[in-house]
Amino acid sequence: AQSVSQHNHHVILSEAASLELGCNYSYGGTVNLFWYVQYPGQHLQLLLKYLSGDPLVKGIKGFEAEFIKSKFSFNLRKPSVQWSDTAEYFCAAPSDSNYQLIWGAGTKLIIKP
Amino acid sequence: DVKVTQSSRYLVKRTGEKVFLECVQDMDHENMFWYRQDPGLGLRLIYFSYDVKMKEKGDIPEGYSVSREKKERFSLILESASTNQTSMYLCASSLFGGAYEQYFGPGTRLTVT
Repeated sequence: AQSVSQHNHHVILSEAASLELGCNYSYGGTVNLFWYVQYPGQHLQLLLKYLSGDPLVKGIKGFEAEFIKSKFSFNLRKPSVQWSDTAEYFCAAPSDSNYQLIWGAGTKLIIKP
Repeated sequence: DVKVTQSSRYLVKRTGEKVFLECVQDMDHENMFWYRQDPGLGLRLIYFSYDVKMKEKGDIPEGYSVSREKKERFSLILESASTNQTSMYLCASSLFGGAYEQYFGPGTRLTVT
């Protein structure tokens, strides 16, 4: 990928609301896509990844993401969010050189109890 | 479990000081990375290394250097710290190639006064 865009920098939702965070990438070769999450005070960790095959990918804590090749998108979804989902979420894709990841700017998600 | 450790969680240095940030991983990963994380800017790659003694510049290498003398250790050096280098510094490691998950350390919050 040459670039990764996350559309929303801040999202505030109430508990039980549905979540969709947008991620678009510019195509640059092998399409591997990642969502990472950083809970307050914790390490960045992998939430889910798409490498190939089924475009609907399931991750930890009830999250899923759908790879839509025609739209260059990999949006993150969760049908019903919890207060504990408050975190910053990052989308990433390998660079064209495949040595490194290109990161989106991140989306801060705040869930109101 | 992969473990990536960083030498300090918080560091306060004065302008002009030489600063060393150390990172150690215990999973025999080929790749190691140094990022800085700033609000609204996501993760920006400073340097990465794909093998011992090998290094590549990332997006923002100016004012930084790195050292990788052993596979498990990757050091970030600020030759002469400046206030605009106040940031959160994250170290990560992965197997070689862009399809592999990066594992992150807890980060070092550096303040330069």
